[in-house]
Amino acid sequence: GAGVSQTPSNKVTEKGKYVELRCDPISGHTALYWYRQSLGQGPEFLIYFQGTGAADDSGLPNDRFFAVRPEGSVSTLKIQRTERGDSAVYLCASSSQAGATYEQYFGPGTRLTVT
Amino acid sequence: AQSVTQLDSQVPVFEEAPVELRCNYSSSVSVYLFWYVQYPNQGLQLLLKYLSGSTLVESINGFEAEFNKSQTSFHLRKPSVHISDTAEYFCAVSDRQGAQKLVFGQGTRLTINP
Repeated sequence: GAGVSQTPSNKVTEKGKYVELRCDPISGHTALYWYRQSLGQGPEFLIYFQGTGAADDSGLPNDRFFAVRPEGSVSTLKIQRTERGDSAVYLCASSSQAGATYEQYFGPGTRLTVT
Repeated sequence: AQSVTQLDSQVPVFEEAPVELRCNYSSSVSVYLFWYVQYPNQGLQLLLKYLSGSTLVESINGFEAEFNKSQTSFHLRKPSVHISDTAEYFCAVSDRQGAQKLVFGQGTRLTINP
């Protein structure tokens, strides 16, 4: 079946602009995660959804970052007033249920470049 | 809070040689342990995981990792590598008790030379 998809695959934006990154999880998966991977680093957790609600947003770096999942499926990560330090690969993952014992399936990522 | 340290950023080995990728973690609570692999131009995939039971876990493609609680390590090994094992490998932990997030190490790039 279809895996996790993310759009766009690449996004180049100017400093100060607003961007939206989209994640389509595997159908039926209730848990959805966003991570950010900077160059030469491992992924860092941003936020986790169980259904429509954000169960843990402790990884969001500041209030410029916001994510939604209004119908419990597709999620959008929104970044306001982008800064050059926001440049990274943004990864989305989903799992059939919440819990560390359930495998997280990762999408290919969106590479964000802020110029 | 947890942290993960992968001691080698790059590991070059010859084909058919053994390899060990090192992973140490720090946590004040019990954790689950994972190894993820990222092949060139592909997304992260789960390679193997330790949840409970036997401390030695294996993957379908010949990798194994051993959970060592006293040394807080979860090193990944393979007795004989293939060119196709060329990838970046990430060690990760997750809190058993509540938080669902994965905490990753910095990654180790495994390069196989013919």
